[in-house]
Amino acid sequence: NAGVTQTPKFQVLKTGQSMTLQCAQDMNHEYMSWYRQDPGMGLRLIHYSVGAGITDQGEVPNGYNVSRSTTEDFPLRLLSAAPSQTSVYFCASSPGTARNEQFFGPGTRLTVL
Amino acid sequence: KNQVEQSPQSLIILEGKNCTLQCNYTVSPFSNLRWYKQDTGRGPVSLTIMTFSENTKSNGRYTATLDADTKQSSLHITASQLSDSASYICVVRPQTGANNLFFGTGTRLTVIP
Repeated sequence: NAGVTQTPKFQVLKTGQSMTLQCAQDMNHEYMSWYRQDPGMGLRLIHYSVGAGITDQGEVPNGYNVSRSTTEDFPLRLLSAAPSQTSVYFCASSPGTARNEQFFGPGTRLTVL
Repeated sequence: KNQVEQSPQSLIILEGKNCTLQCNYTVSPFSNLRWYKQDTGRGPVSLTIMTFSENTKSNGRYTATLDADTKQSSLHITASQLSDSASYICVVRPQTGANNLFFGTGTRLTVIP
C-alpha cells in the first residue's frame, strides 16, 4: 500500500492564481481531511469528508474548495491564491471518523508570492 | 475554550539521554489523547493513544502517561537516538463531535551526538 500520497511536493504561485493540490489514499478509508501547518501554530483543519459525495468545512475553510467524487481522492482547490495561504498542507485519512488514527500524507509546501 | 498546550517549544539533548515532553489540555469532556511524531518534511505518524482510563502506554522507547484529573500528559523518550529528532505533537479528542480534534503546536526535539 502506498498509503496517503500528495502532489505536488512543492509549489510556488503568484497572487490570484488558482491550483489544485492532489491527495489520494489506497486504504479504503472513509474519512479524509486537509490541514494546514504554519510556524508556531498547530495543525488547522480546512475541510473534511466522511465519505464519497460528502464534504464539510473545518476551522479555516475560506479560500479553499474540496470535492470527494471517489473514496480514494480528495483534491483541495485554491480559488485565488493569497500570500496568507503560504503554508504546508497535509492530507490525512482514517477509517471511520477522525476519532481513529489519522494517516498523513508527506505534505505540500506552498508559497504564494 | 478548548486548548492544547505543549512544552517546551524546543529541546536539545545528547544522544543516549532521556527526556520528557509535556502536554496540558483544557478539552472537556475528554475522550482520548494521541502523540504523533513528525519528522522534518514528513507528515505526522501516530506513536501512542491513551483513553480516559489509561495512565501509561508504551511504544518501544516511548512512554506516554496521562493524568486525566489534572489534564496533563507527558511523553518520555528513553535512551534517545539521532532518529528521535523530530517534532512531537499532542492531539486531544473530545467526547462530543465525531470529527473534532485539538492539536498542540508541538515540541521540536533535536538529538545531538
